[in-house]
Amino acid sequence: SYVLTQPPSLSVAPGKTASITCGGNNIGRKIVPWYQQKPGQAPVLVIYYDTDRPSGIPERFSASKSGNTATLTISRVEAGDEADYYCQVWDNITDSWVFGGGTKLTVL
Amino acid sequence: EVQLVQSGAEVKKPGESLKISCKASGYSFTKSWIGWARQMPGKGLEWVGIIYPGDSDTRYSPSFQGRVTISADKSITTAYLQWSSLKTSDTAIYYCAKVGTTPVFFDYWAQGTLVTVSS
Repeated sequence: SYVLTQPPSLSVAPGKTASITCGGNNIGRKIVPWYQQKPGQAPVLVIYYDTDRPSGIPERFSASKSGNTATLTISRVEAGDEADYYCQVWDNITDSWVFGGGTKLTVL
Repeated sequence: EVQLVQSGAEVKKPGESLKISCKASGYSFTKSWIGWARQMPGKGLEWVGIIYPGDSDTRYSPSFQGRVTISADKSITTAYLQWSSLKTSDTAIYYCAKVGTTPVFFDYWAQGTLVTVSS
């Protein structure tokens, strides 16, 4: 089955840039949405169709992908960005969706 | 405005059955997929499956196939997730979510339902 690999944690100082990676076989050929989940809350979609942001999501959130890696980038990180972030793809082989293991972003 | 509201927390014993619900509003229920994800205590998200209420076409994660049943009632715009025989390992928060225009992501999520299975 398809596997998505994310680093378990990432720490960034306020005002700096956070880059959260998501590794998967030929992920560059797949649509990769990203979700943010704050403690005790439901997930929220922050990126869809690879680079598009839903209304209400700041422009500071962007994404890219190439080869076997997709990346969520959060510019000018704020304390309110502290959350778990998940990537996800559709696996056409099993016709099912797969989530990455999640990355806990800590703002120092 | 899209709204998804799930049923309340449940406490069950192993072997019991359960059906939780997700009431949808604010969009055309029969023209969008809707689905479920699981989050075990302290763990990440897992995709359970999705259903297209228009024709009840349903897709399951291989990990959940045969363990749960996803259904939908068009007349009351409500989706369901049910178990016939719960296990303690089913203890988790279950989220209902609406699928985007292309069925490869969830664009709106409900608040989640905590299911606790304990003897």
